[in-house]
Amino acid sequence: KNEVEQSPQNLTAQEGEFITINCSYSVGISALHWLQQHPGGGIVSLFMLSSGKKKHGRLIATINIQEKHSSLHITASHPRDSAVYICAVGSETSYDKVIFGPGTSLSVIP
Amino acid sequence: KAGVTQTPRYLIKTRGQQVTLSCSPISGHRSVSWYQQTPGQGLQFLFEYFSETQRNKGNFPGRFSGRQFSNSRSEMNVSTLELGDSALYLCASSPRDPGSYGYTFGSGTRLTVV
Repeated sequence: KNEVEQSPQNLTAQEGEFITINCSYSVGISALHWLQQHPGGGIVSLFMLSSGKKKHGRLIATINIQEKHSSLHITASHPRDSAVYICAVGSETSYDKVIFGPGTSLSVIP
Repeated sequence: KAGVTQTPRYLIKTRGQQVTLSCSPISGHRSVSWYQQTPGQGLQFLFEYFSETQRNKGNFPGRFSGRQFSNSRSEMNVSTLELGDSALYLCASSPRDPGSYGYTFGSGTRLTVV
């Protein structure tokens, strides 16, 4: 079993839909990160959180430490949101080691 | 302020050769970490440097090595290249601990081994 898992693996949505991507992990963590990778490879760090909820524009990230689960929500999705979304956790025991999830490929259709 | 700069952007090498990739972190960032991304394995942690010291290393063979200079710039080297080393190599910089402080990624170096 992978230490960090994401669901769904692939997601296609109509423009304007509300989107949820899930991440579950099995290790102790110092923090959880959501990353966005566009075609071509560039990666942008969206959120870093260790508890509760963060919001930035149309993006919302939540984490439940007890359940070892995080969700990334996109409200009013837009074609420019099409990307791969990657969940990554910073290891609690080895603070400088990062473990990545497999990514969720999102395609938003106009 | 300038972001994380990786050079070169693209590289084609032959099996058996060696390659050196460069990463210049954001000014003031002292941690540089390296990652390999392949279609089959996704993103995998290679190693992380802080103040010229390697603090952690992922599960990669000894052909993969790196170093960090006093100005925090980092290089990674892959010797005796194999076809399976073809990948996007990303570096990221962080003020201190990338797992806890967040990181900024470079655009990557796409290496093709033929």
